[in-house]
Amino acid sequence: RKEVEQDPGPFNVPEGATVAFNCTYSNSASQSFFWYRQDCRKEPKLLMSVYSSGNEDGRFTAQLNRASQYISLLIRDSKLSDSATYLCVVPRGGSQGNLIFGKGTKLSVKP
Amino acid sequence: NAGVTQTPKFQVLKTGQSMTLQCAQDMNHNSMYWYRQDPGMGLRLIYYSASEGTTDKGEVPNGYNVSRLNKREFSLRLESAAPSQTSVYFCASRDGGGRGEKLFFGSGTQLSVL
Repeated sequence: RKEVEQDPGPFNVPEGATVAFNCTYSNSASQSFFWYRQDCRKEPKLLMSVYSSGNEDGRFTAQLNRASQYISLLIRDSKLSDSATYLCVVPRGGSQGNLIFGKGTKLSVKP
Repeated sequence: NAGVTQTPKFQVLKTGQSMTLQCAQDMNHNSMYWYRQDPGMGLRLIYYSASEGTTDKGEVPNGYNVSRLNKREFSLRLESAAPSQTSVYFCASRDGGGRGEKLFFGSGTQLSVL
């Protein structure tokens, strides 16, 4: 299994749809996980952190399944402004500074 | 607060030329990072500095050098640029390890090596 793996997409969905992305990771010792959002030609920005089984913030829900070693991001009631690339981020075990970024899942929300 | 500031935003080099990418943060963060992002490859760590005075190699350090000048500044140097170093470079910082940490990124440098 790769250290961090995401479906690259693109996911093309209509406004108002619910869409979910999965991310699998190989390091079973990882404790915290992150979803970053990256707009085209911009820097990544933190969307959500996931420490226990899950986390919800408005229309966004992140869930963690330690047994199967994956995290998911669910977006409800998609908006045009949700169009971006979503990066799954996992700490590399043992090193304070080292985060592993997935290659990202591209989402395009259409009117 | 400006956050993380990196310069320049764009740069074109010829093969063999050298340059330094500058990065500064005003959040008093301990850790600073340099990433490169290539199409289809995602973000890859070049070097990082867990604290002032220390630097460590990341996944793709070959062809690069770094300097943690002080707590605020972390520069990336290309001594002899190669076309394979054409990429978008991001500097980032965060307060340190543990839960709740967040990476703050600079706005990026688009580098083309001809």
